[in-house]
Amino acid sequence: AQSVTQLGSHVSVSEGALVLLRCNYSSSVPPYLFWYVQYPNQGLQLLLKYTTGATLVKGINGFEAEFKKSETSFHLTKPSAHMSDAAEYFCAVKGTGRRALTFGSGTRLQVQP
Amino acid sequence: GAVVSQHPSRVICKSGTSVKIECRSLDFQATTMFWYRQFPKKSLMLMATSNEGSKATYEQGVEKDKFLINHASLTLSTLTVTSAHPEDSSFYICSAIGERGNNEQFFGPGTRLTVL
Repeated sequence: AQSVTQLGSHVSVSEGALVLLRCNYSSSVPPYLFWYVQYPNQGLQLLLKYTTGATLVKGINGFEAEFKKSETSFHLTKPSAHMSDAAEYFCAVKGTGRRALTFGSGTRLQVQP
Repeated sequence: GAVVSQHPSRVICKSGTSVKIECRSLDFQATTMFWYRQFPKKSLMLMATSNEGSKATYEQGVEKDKFLINHASLTLSTLTVTSAHPEDSSFYICSAIGERGNNEQFFGPGTRLTVL
């Protein structure tokens, strides 16, 4: 069984500041990990994913995430926030024996001017 | 990248009626499609897994007779909410896995269902 915990339902940063969205997972098998972004009334867009190999994963729009097995974490970061980054972000996990994703509760990112 | 569409994007219906939502993979064949439900300000909850040509696999607690899923072709899955009630109002999102073999899911834009 898998589960995902996203700490902080709301995160507010100033434009140009560091973005850090936290995600911890539990999985009984080596996980595949994902970050998705959702804009209002839209579907999900894949930001980045970790399957195997390099633990630091770079995604679109300047985001990156690092898989830390010892901490069971997959935090999402971006060095400098942009107004257009304001959205809902979901962390998700998929075990190798299951095709569907298990999502975290989401974190709403606000970017202040 | 692969594109998944949903139709309609929004639907308002009266209580007791049935509503059909279509999910199409536009430029790839989807061996598996998933249906998720998202409550306001909440995460996505998997409702069912749909494989082409076979019966859908429903998650625990999801009523099969209420949420009818048909995956008649490799590019189309439909979700029919039967005898809809206000508590069925939600944002329904489908996703599809293609034949690339990397199991990446491509999400549709979602359908907002409002039952009056």
